[in-house]
Amino acid sequence: DARVTQTPRHKVTEMGQEVTMRCQPILGHNTVFWYRQTMMQGLELLAYFRNRAPLDDSGMPKDRFSAEMPDATLATLKIQPSEPRDSAVYFCASGPGNSNQPQHFGDGTRLSIL
Amino acid sequence: GNSVTQMEGPVTLSEEAFLTINCTYTATGYPSLFWYVQYPGEGLQLLLKATKADDKGSNKGFEATYRKETTSFHLEKGSVQVSDSAVYFCALSGYSGGGADGLTFGKGTHLIIQP
Repeated sequence: DARVTQTPRHKVTEMGQEVTMRCQPILGHNTVFWYRQTMMQGLELLAYFRNRAPLDDSGMPKDRFSAEMPDATLATLKIQPSEPRDSAVYFCASGPGNSNQPQHFGDGTRLSIL
Repeated sequence: GNSVTQMEGPVTLSEEAFLTINCTYTATGYPSLFWYVQYPGEGLQLLLKATKADDKGSNKGFEATYRKETTSFHLEKGSVQVSDSAVYFCALSGYSGGGADGLTFGKGTHLIIQP
């Protein structure tokens, strides 16, 4: 089965460092989503792209977070500078762009900011 | 805006018991509805879906019916197994002119099945 691949699976770093998370969507999917999961807030949509163009990033703190899709096989989420409150699991999902079809999730990046 | 409310757990049942996890939603238009399941250390996996009113989604013995009149999508299973222990998320997908929007999730229900 085709899968969404996320790297790294785990990341521990100190406050102030830059963090880059990567996602390879399923081939043929034209929509890529970034979500964040925390105990307090649950699953939140951060940003998403369609055909590599950013559609909505209203869920992201703009001053420190940035999301890009340099090509159809790679999406990135960067945090600079990182803060302890950014500690969470970050999920990437991809889909065919039709609301009737499910999104497929990667296994996530577990991020800890010390 | 869109929102999803589901019962929060943990929900603890004995093996072979009947399961219901309630889910209600608020949305504009005609969203698609989903149940996802998350096992420890893994991402979310689609369990079932329904895309219009009165549709019934089903998979692995789980069922949920899209009830527009009560804005609900309750998850049921007749006889649970220990392997069903996981966190279950109800979600909806809206639609803007260009295609699917991101999913709006409930808080998740932690299900524990005891042998």
